[in-house]
Amino acid sequence: EPEVTQTPSHQVTQMGQEVILRCVPISNHLYFYWYRQILGQKVEFLVSFYNNEISEKSEIFDDQFSVERPDGSNFTLKIRSTKLEDSAMYFCASSAFKVGNEQFFGPGTRLTVL
Amino acid sequence: GQNIDQPTEMTATEGAIVQINCTYQTSGFNGLFWYQQHAGEAPTFLSYNVLDGLEEKGRFSSFLSRSKGYSYLLLKELQMKDSASYLCARIGAAGSYQLTFGKGTKLSVIP
Repeated sequence: EPEVTQTPSHQVTQMGQEVILRCVPISNHLYFYWYRQILGQKVEFLVSFYNNEISEKSEIFDDQFSVERPDGSNFTLKIRSTKLEDSAMYFCASSAFKVGNEQFFGPGTRLTVL
Repeated sequence: GQNIDQPTEMTATEGAIVQINCTYQTSGFNGLFWYQQHAGEAPTFLSYNVLDGLEEKGRFSSFLSRSKGYSYLLLKELQMKDSASYLCARIGAAGSYQLTFGKGTKLSVIP
């Protein structure tokens, strides 16, 4: 069964450093998402991406964040200058359609900012 | 806002039936999802409701009342592996892609 994959599974970084989280969505999906979940809290939407551009973003997704689809398979989330409060599990998701679409989540990258 | 409310924790016995309720703000509603999340893992899709009524899928069923801003997830014949968090999530206005999640209901299934 096709699945969303993410690397790395765990990333530790120093405050102020840049990190890039990588995702490979399901191959025939057209819509891509990033969510985050701070430990013990709810899953929060960051950004959605379709047709090589951002479709929607939340208040969390400020200028420190960016997304890119550098090739036909990868979808990346970059945090330019990490802060302590960026420590969270970051989930990538993809879906085939927009309306009523099931979003398939990847296993997540646990980001720890020291 | 798109506040979503669901109980924080529930406990049920193996083999029993449990109903997990979810209420949400009705403005701009465009669909209601239920996801299961085991500790430390990704959410996995359980159900999607956009019209009123009950959707049944094996041991799991989900109900929606749009006028009341209310949904529930019904789990039958509970198994120990059903111990997990159950996340209620809504899609916002037409054209929106984002899922807005509730805080989740942590279900503990006991023998």
